[in-house]
Amino acid sequence: AQSVTQPDIHITVSEGASLELRCNYSYGATPYLFWYVQSPGQGLQLLLKYFSGDTLVQGIKGFEAEFKRSQSSFNLRKPSVHWSDAAEYFCAVGVFGNEKLTFGTGTRLTIIP
Amino acid sequence: DSGVTQTPKHLITATGQRVTLRCSPRSGDLSVYWYQQSLDQGLQFLIQYYNGEERAKGNILERFSAQQFPDLHSELNLSSLELGDSALYFCASSVGPERSEAFFGQGTRLTVV
Repeated sequence: AQSVTQPDIHITVSEGASLELRCNYSYGATPYLFWYVQSPGQGLQLLLKYFSGDTLVQGIKGFEAEFKRSQSSFNLRKPSVHWSDAAEYFCAVGVFGNEKLTFGTGTRLTIIP
Repeated sequence: DSGVTQTPKHLITATGQRVTLRCSPRSGDLSVYWYQQSLDQGLQFLIQYYNGEERAKGNILERFSAQQFPDLHSELNLSSLELGDSALYFCASSVGPERSEAFFGQGTRLTVV
């Protein structure tokens, strides 16, 4: 069965520190992948996407993610976090020809001064 | 602002009742998706419409139905409501049926009492 795993439910980092949020997927076919961010009381905002091509993708707000087929991972990174990055982050995976996006359970990011 | 408009923002209703959630997609988007977000189930895909036709179905209960109208707005109808239907319901839209990122509305928070 198709699945998406975000192993970290909650991560706390200091402002200015680097960040990596993990996402692993299990799909039989070539996936396309997204990272979304959800601030409290808000909808989901797309950070970045990967369909094909360069496996390192750049997104908004200084985020990037790397698709590693051999590890079935699509980890989100940011070199220096800001207090405004505190939110919940969702990895989502789809398969060409199947419109159902499967979301991970999310990682809540807390930023401490 | 994603350009996707959902109304109402909040809805409180009693068990057994029926409600309608409305979504206006971004200008030019032909696909509309509905998702349910709850604490125990996370983000679950319910259904997708493309240019007025149902295109994909996910974990949508028989008590729930949706449609997309000629002006491309969509409505999600929830009937015989149960306490467990309390959740945040998101609408998302995209340009095409495949390989396009989805833009999410801010959601409708449904509370069933």
